Amino acid sequence: QSVLTQPPSASGTPGQRVTISCSGSSSNIGTNTVNWYQQIPGTAPKLLIYNNNQRPSGVPGRFSASKSGTSASLAISGLQSEDEADYYCASWDAGLPGRGLFGGGTKLTVL
Amino acid sequence: QITLKESGPTLVKPTQTLTLTCTFSGFSLTTGGVGVGWIRQPPGKALEWLSLIYWDDDKGYSPSLKSRLTITKDTAKNQVVLTMTNMGPVDTATYYCAHILNIYGPMAFDIWGQGTMVTVSS
Repeated sequence: QSVLTQPPSASGTPGQRVTISCSGSSSNIGTNTVNWYQQIPGTAPKLLIYNNNQRPSGVPGRFSASKSGTSASLAISGLQSEDEADYYCASWDAGLPGRGLFGGGTKLTVL
Repeated sequence: QITLKESGPTLVKPTQTLTLTCTFSGFSLTTGGVGVGWIRQPPGKALEWLSLIYWDDDKGYSPSLKSRLTITKDTAKNQVVLTMTNMGPVDTATYYCAHILNIYGPMAFDIWGQGTMVTVSS
C-alpha cells in the first residue's frame, strides 16, 4: 500500500473535466513539492506537472494541478481519448532517511 | 537533447546480483545540481522509487531496499550503475533511469529512459 494515496480508477467522457486526488502527510506532500506523471501502457512515464502546478513545455494547458496542505490534485479539462492512461503523483518524504514516493496510480478511462 | 538508456541482463537467477547501467547524453554529472534516479515497475503494478545520485556524489536509497542497493557514477563514461543483490522473483520489473530536474526536487524526473525489463527466475 502506497504512502501517497490515489484512487485506483477514474473515468470521464470526451470533453468532460476529471480530477485525480493524491493524499499524503506532513512529511511528504505537506513539506515537499508534488509532481505528476502520465504513463501510457507499455511506455515510460512522462512528466506532466512539476513543482505542484507547473507544466513542462509541450504539455497541453488542459492539464492543471494544485496542492493544499497534505493533498494534491490533478485536473484534466476537455478530456480527450488520448488522455486514457495511468497517472501517478510523486513527492519526497522528509523522514530519516529521506525517500522518494510514488502514489499507487490512477487508471483513467475515457468512455 | 537529454537521453538516457538502461542496459543489463533480461534474466537473472534468484540470489544473483543485478547490475544495471544507465548511459546518458546531453548532460554531465559533473555539473552542479544534476542528478539521476532509478525507478522500477513490476508488471501491472505501480512505480517504485529505488535510488538516486547527484553530481556531488550525494546518494539516496529506498529504506526497504537499502541493504541490497548500491549506486555509483562514472562521469568519464556518462554512466550511472545500480546494483541490487540477492535478487528474488518479487524483483521482476521494468527498471527505469531518469534525469532529475533538481531545482524542483528529487522526484521531478523530466527525462526517462525507455526502461529495461528484468525477470528473476531459475
